[in-house]
Amino acid sequence: QVQLVESGGGVVQPGRSLRLSCAASGFTFSTYSMHWVRQAPGKGLEWVAVISYDGSNKYYADSVKGRFTISRDNSKNTLYLQMNSLRAEDTAVYYCARVAGIVVVTDAFDIWGQGTMVTVSS
Amino acid sequence: QSVLTQPPSVSGAPGQRVTISCTGSSSNIGAGYDVHWYQQLPGTAPKLLIYGNNNRPSGVPDRFSGSKSGTSASLAITGLQAEDEADYYCQSYDSSLSGWVFGGGTKLTVL
Repeated sequence: QVQLVESGGGVVQPGRSLRLSCAASGFTFSTYSMHWVRQAPGKGLEWVAVISYDGSNKYYADSVKGRFTISRDNSKNTLYLQMNSLRAEDTAVYYCARVAGIVVVTDAFDIWGQGTMVTVSS
Repeated sequence: QSVLTQPPSVSGAPGQRVTISCTGSSSNIGAGYDVHWYQQLPGTAPKLLIYGNNNRPSGVPDRFSGSKSGTSASLAITGLQAEDEADYYCQSYDSSLSGWVFGGGTKLTVL
């Protein structure tokens, strides 16, 4: 079945780095653009970053621009989020989500992973 | 403060109808970008509920419907059931921010 499974979360000190992974299965990963979305404890959803199907285009929320890098390895069916210079306010559950169609701007996030928790604390 | 504004909470008795509003602006909903709705049951990941303003993915009951007009959108749930108790989020694209935006979320309580 179509599935996304995140991993790599954990507790990290402020200023340190962490890399999240999102393993895709059950669909042709290389033909879909992908997002990262996060949710701070008790808060709403916040879009983080998006990458096109071939990795050629990447966009970021202002809150993470310059610190986070989204990437993908289509040969491994895996999406990544490299998070550097982490701050307390980056503490959240991080979800990867698939773009439903080919129009990245308007298409919905149709498949979501279960999420991985990142806690930034000293 | 979210770019898309939703009421923090709504409630209704079983069998009743409730609506959840999502108010945006001329740079997102009013610019013609589609609105999508997600349901997040307690302790779980969000799930796509309505896409393209008023379309249901396979498996979503027809008790759920969406609409869009001007700079706003709405989610309607008829025949409320206990299992509908969840958080609901609207989502669109914002051209001023050059990014994807969510509403702050609405907690639905079934009385």
